[in-house]
Amino acid sequence: NAGVTQTPKFRVLKTGQSMTLLCAQDMNHEYMYWYRQDPGMGLRLIHYSVGEGTTAKGEVPDGYNVSRLKKQNFLLGLESAAPSQTSVYFCASSVQGVSTNEKLFFGSGTQLSVL
Amino acid sequence: QKEVEQDPGPLSVPEGAIVSLNCTYSNSAFQYFMWYRQYSRKGPELLMYTYSSGNKEDGRFTAQVDKSSKYISLFIRDSQPSDSATYLCAMRVSGGYQKVTFGIGTKLQVIP
Repeated sequence: NAGVTQTPKFRVLKTGQSMTLLCAQDMNHEYMYWYRQDPGMGLRLIHYSVGEGTTAKGEVPDGYNVSRLKKQNFLLGLESAAPSQTSVYFCASSVQGVSTNEKLFFGSGTQLSVL
Repeated sequence: QKEVEQDPGPLSVPEGAIVSLNCTYSNSAFQYFMWYRQYSRKGPELLMYTYSSGNKEDGRFTAQVDKSSKYISLFIRDSQPSDSATYLCAMRVSGGYQKVTFGIGTKLQVIP
């Protein structure tokens, strides 16, 4: 019962460094999402994908890029990390939006600190 | 002003108490309402899902939606220490499948 798996779980970066967060799901879901969660701000959508090879911007996309080369994987990249990107990052997935069952399946998160 | 307002707490209650968690919102177009539970250092998990106004019950949990007041509630009966978590309300408009707006979450602690 893996569900949504995120790697790494923790990471510390210096300002200007780059990194990629990996999300993998084994539920054959079409939709995948990247959120960030900050104190007092709640969960905010960064980017999302409605299928393999497609991506779209969410609420706070600046400074991030994503790729969905395989249906089961959704990568979030930071090209030049900034302290403002210190956050907890969550990946989520859901079935294609036909049903009204609005269930997002979340991973356990990645704690990222940018110094 | 945020679209969704939620008191962050923390809220501490004794075991067995009835807990009431609430959110208010400003966007009258919201049609789908959800409650997620998030344990410490874990991702949120869906607890309750309701469409439009009304009540929905699932075991010890009851979700209420009052669209006329733009107010949603989650009630937990006979609260248990295992209910200690952060509860996030979430909502979206019809057709806006990708855009779910979350509250900041209310931290609940149930004292044995």
